[in-house]
Amino acid sequence: GENVEQHPSTLSVQEGDSAVIKCTYSDSASNYFPWYKQELGKGPQLIIDIRSNVGEKKDQRIAVTLNKTAKHFSLHITETQPEDSAVYFCAASIGGNQFYFGTGTSLTVIP
Amino acid sequence: GAGVSQSPSNKVTEKGKDVELRCDPISGHTALYWYRQSLGQGLEFLIYFQGNSAPDKSGLPSDRFSAERTGGSVSTLTIQRTQQEDSAVYLCASSLGYERRQPQHFGDGTRLSIL
Repeated sequence: GENVEQHPSTLSVQEGDSAVIKCTYSDSASNYFPWYKQELGKGPQLIIDIRSNVGEKKDQRIAVTLNKTAKHFSLHITETQPEDSAVYFCAASIGGNQFYFGTGTSLTVIP
Repeated sequence: GAGVSQSPSNKVTEKGKDVELRCDPISGHTALYWYRQSLGQGLEFLIYFQGNSAPDKSGLPSDRFSAERTGGSVSTLTIQRTQQEDSAVYLCASSLGYERRQPQHFGDGTRLSIL
């Protein structure tokens, strides 16, 4: 089955700096890659996703890049703010019901 | 409400008791998922419902775990004879599901503590 690895597990950045979280996957058939943000005591919330026919997608300060050849995808957050502090999860899916999640990155933005 | 609703938000029970966790998906979402999240860990898939199809139960960790979905809407996850290792946050998600690669929308979970 699919195996998704996520790095780093913890990340601290100064407010205004950029943060990058990376994930790798093993199944070349995976074709959908969502990213979720989870705040304390809340469920994961979808923040951005990318499909395998696209190499990059941006939404304001958030961007995701996908390298299908290397089987890795990354989340980029620019101009970080304290409210960006949360746990971020990547996931990969080949469609249907199976989503495989990374183990999460705890991001702390220091004011 | 507009989002996925889960109840109770917190549940504390004694080892050996049965518990029922409830999930109300977003109206119109045909796919419903249950996940388990242990402290500091990722999401562990438990079970998936899609419309009237037979559920995918491949993630259930033991026969003490079961789930049903009535009328294609509300779902209940039941854990019988609870053990301390069942302590975790149980998350429910729903999606449109009739097309591949639909994003999931999560509830805020039920935090289950087994004493």
